[in-house]
Amino acid sequence: DGGITQSPKYLFRKEGQNVTLSCEQNLNHDAMYWYRQDPGQGLRLIYYSQIVNDFQKGDIAEGYSVSREKKESFPLTVTSAQKNPTAFYLCASSIWTSGRETQYFGPGTRLLVL
Amino acid sequence: GIQVEQSPPDLILQEGANSTLRCNFSDSVNNLQWFHQNPWGQLINLFYIPSGTKQNGRLSATTVATERYSLLYISSSQTTDSGVYFCAVEGARGSTLGRLYFGRGTQLTVWP
Repeated sequence: DGGITQSPKYLFRKEGQNVTLSCEQNLNHDAMYWYRQDPGQGLRLIYYSQIVNDFQKGDIAEGYSVSREKKESFPLTVTSAQKNPTAFYLCASSIWTSGRETQYFGPGTRLLVL
Repeated sequence: GIQVEQSPPDLILQEGANSTLRCNFSDSVNNLQWFHQNPWGQLINLFYIPSGTKQNGRLSATTVATERYSLLYISSSQTTDSGVYFCAVEGARGSTLGRLYFGRGTQLTVWP
């Protein structure tokens, strides 16, 4: 089956620890994205990558880091510098078809920092 | 960035009722999408509708790009329609190009 997988589904970490969230896609999409969702809020863009070995900051990149060494993988590291990391994290990938870009979302990872 | 406002923030319906969700946006856009987020957090694309009207079963959407708003209609609602409905727009110029900006969503609860 083609799709986007995120792991783990739930993640618990102690304050001050770095943690890496996995995002893998086998859709052969060029672009990938990381969003953060807080309760009662919309999605906010953390980082995005249009092509391998290249990525750009979104609106709330502080305290996060990413890498894009392979087309199918876009891991997100939540560092100890992120002041309020507890949130729901969504990964997406996109493709241009018929003159439009459509984003497809993974199932998400819920991060709880104690 | 682009400001996206959705209303109402919460909506409670009895099964079988109809509803209209609204999305206003602050700038020109290349693309507008409506998403449904189920109770487990999965986001599903409902419509890609930068302008005009589209229908898919009991759902339909209309975007008036010149007036910067979109409407999502849900007819004969079912309990499975419950969840959060998001509107997201892609900017048409400068740094907003290629990026999606989300509203805060409308939380829909449908009771049997």
